[in-house]
Amino acid sequence: DTGVSQNPRHKITKRGQNVTFRCDPISEHNRLYWYRQTLGQGPEFLTYFQNEAQLEKSRLLSDRFSAERPKGSFSTLEIQRTEQGDSAMYLCASSVIGTRGFGYTFGSGTRLTVV
Amino acid sequence: QKEVEQNSGPLSVPEGAIASLNCTYSDRGSQSFFWYRQYSGKSPELIMSIYSNGDKEDGRFTAQLNKASQYVSLLIRDSQPSDSATYLCAGEGGNEKLTFGTGTRLTIIP
Repeated sequence: DTGVSQNPRHKITKRGQNVTFRCDPISEHNRLYWYRQTLGQGPEFLTYFQNEAQLEKSRLLSDRFSAERPKGSFSTLEIQRTEQGDSAMYLCASSVIGTRGFGYTFGSGTRLTVV
Repeated sequence: QKEVEQNSGPLSVPEGAIASLNCTYSDRGSQSFFWYRQYSGKSPELIMSIYSNGDKEDGRFTAQLNKASQYVSLLIRDSQPSDSATYLCAGEGGNEKLTFGTGTRLTIIP
């Protein structure tokens, strides 16, 4: 296990379709974060998990978005009824709780294009 | 007001010169700060972290933190073309969540 893994790397979908992304964190990391990044902007926080518990959700996470982390391992982010405004890079990151000052390790991201 | 603000650039620096990137933050509760480098189409990569006032050096990179002024900076000495990227500043909040600035695009001119 050499890092955070995200799948798929790229996803093109038609407006109105549902999409699901997967993130596998570094195995001993108990925190998992989802961010969204649009062109020319920094990553924006969406939600995070500590083990299997979802502890915080951003106002950016509309009711069309849902995230899960069953058993505190991998996580999925689902977007229902996609809109063109959902086109972005979706980034997953993981860390170990209590390691303040160590930052996150990001995965390669999933680039979503809604046409 | 954004919690973390960066001069958006773009910033162009001749090869071999010093590149200076700046960041200010509004949350006085933020304790640690990070600089990430992001190449076009890639995900952010952590290059520096700092949590004490003053300077922290790592190779050609120096991070500076001034908590009184709520200011963070990154200096890149002997700039190389491979340093051309977007640099993201991030602050760590009380729940260890990172808040990012919009990034500064840096181009090193050979």
